[in-house]
Amino acid sequence: DVKVTQSSRYLVKRTGEKVFLECVQDMDHENMFWYRQDPGLGLRLIYFSYDVKMKEKGDIPEGYSVSREKKERFSLILESASTNQTSMYLCASSPWGFGTDTQYFGPGTRLTVL
Amino acid sequence: QQQVKQSPQSLIVQKGGISIINCAYENTAFDYFPWYQQFPGKGPALLIAIRPDVSEKKEGRFTISFNKSAKQFSLHIMDSQPGDSATYFCAATVHNAGNMLTFGGGTRLMVKP
Repeated sequence: DVKVTQSSRYLVKRTGEKVFLECVQDMDHENMFWYRQDPGLGLRLIYFSYDVKMKEKGDIPEGYSVSREKKERFSLILESASTNQTSMYLCASSPWGFGTDTQYFGPGTRLTVL
Repeated sequence: QQQVKQSPQSLIVQKGGISIINCAYENTAFDYFPWYQQFPGKGPALLIAIRPDVSEKKEGRFTISFNKSAKQFSLHIMDSQPGDSATYFCAATVHNAGNMLTFGGGTRLMVKP
């Protein structure tokens, strides 16, 4: 059974703080993704990574950065948190290869920036 | 600009009724259309998916209907149950192009007992 875990379920930070969101998957998946989920907007891709130390911008990368030093771990970094980054953040992973389009999601981190 | 538009945003259905959620896409290169189901406090999970070489796919009470010429696809939940209450997301991707998914805006379904 694929398991994707996220370091925190709820997080409250202040404007200007540096925020780290951690994601770990246990299925040796090559691909990892960070999304934010907002009502009516669905899931929007922030960044993704298809290999260690590799990263690609998604649709809304501004204000975010990522780090992937190990295959199983993908971190999302808010360098200077702002109130408009208050959202639900979802991490996902998927294997690479034919017929492997399914993404497996973690439970999410609800971030509030005051 | 959403490449996958989903409607309605919310839906209330009586137990035993049919729930219908619609999605429309713009990118004709999309060739794989999954639906994800998300319960409160959980991440989305794959529910059912279809490729455009078929017009319909059924798994239990869940059916995807696909209209390639109209660039539309829909999820039908037959005999809806309170346990189906969740948020549903349609998505689209180009198969094997890096597993990138473009999601619709989501539909919050409530099935009343």
